[in-house]
Amino acid sequence: GDSVTQMEGPVTLSEEAFLTINCTYTATGYPSLFWYVQYPGEGLQLLLKATKADDKGSNKGFEATYRKETTSFHLEKGSVQVSDSAVYFCALSAYTGRRALTFGSGTRLQVQP
Amino acid sequence: GAGVSQSPSNKVTEKGKDVELRCDPISGHTALYWYRQRLGQGLEFLIYFQGNSAPDKSGLPSDRFSAERTGESVSTLTIQRTQQEDSAVYLCASSLELSGANVLTFGAGSRLTVL
Repeated sequence: GDSVTQMEGPVTLSEEAFLTINCTYTATGYPSLFWYVQYPGEGLQLLLKATKADDKGSNKGFEATYRKETTSFHLEKGSVQVSDSAVYFCALSAYTGRRALTFGSGTRLQVQP
Repeated sequence: GAGVSQSPSNKVTEKGKDVELRCDPISGHTALYWYRQRLGQGLEFLIYFQGNSAPDKSGLPSDRFSAERTGESVSTLTIQRTQQEDSAVYLCASSLELSGANVLTFGAGSRLTVL
């Protein structure tokens, strides 16, 4: 079945550091890929998405590129801020079959001033 | 409504009692999903409704769990004879279910604590 694997957290960085959160997936066909973010005390919200190979999703300074050859969708940001502290979830939506999203286990990011 | 609304936001119950959790999706969204998030863990798929199609119940962990949806509106998740391991945040999401990217909008969740 479909699955998403994320790097384990927590990830602790200093402000203005470079961020990478790894995400790889297993799926039949060509899924759409997503990053969702959950800020403390809030619900999940979509951060960015990509629907086909080589697409780059971007939002709020975050980027992720859909790499079919490596089945990856790593999240990056060049300079993190304290306000980026949150839990980040990688997810996929199968092109066929069940349309519910399959989520990774989440990676907690802590940014220190 | 403007967003996905869930109620109650918090529920504390005793082991063995039944609970009902409610979800009001965004108006016009044809698809509705329930997920469970245990403390410090990822999202666990429970059930998925899409229009008038038969729901995908493949994620329900036991026959104590059931869910209904009236048309393309409100959904209720029912947990019978609650157990302590049912303690979690139950998240509802809805989407337009367009082809291609299936973007979910989540509610704030219902936190269930079983004593």
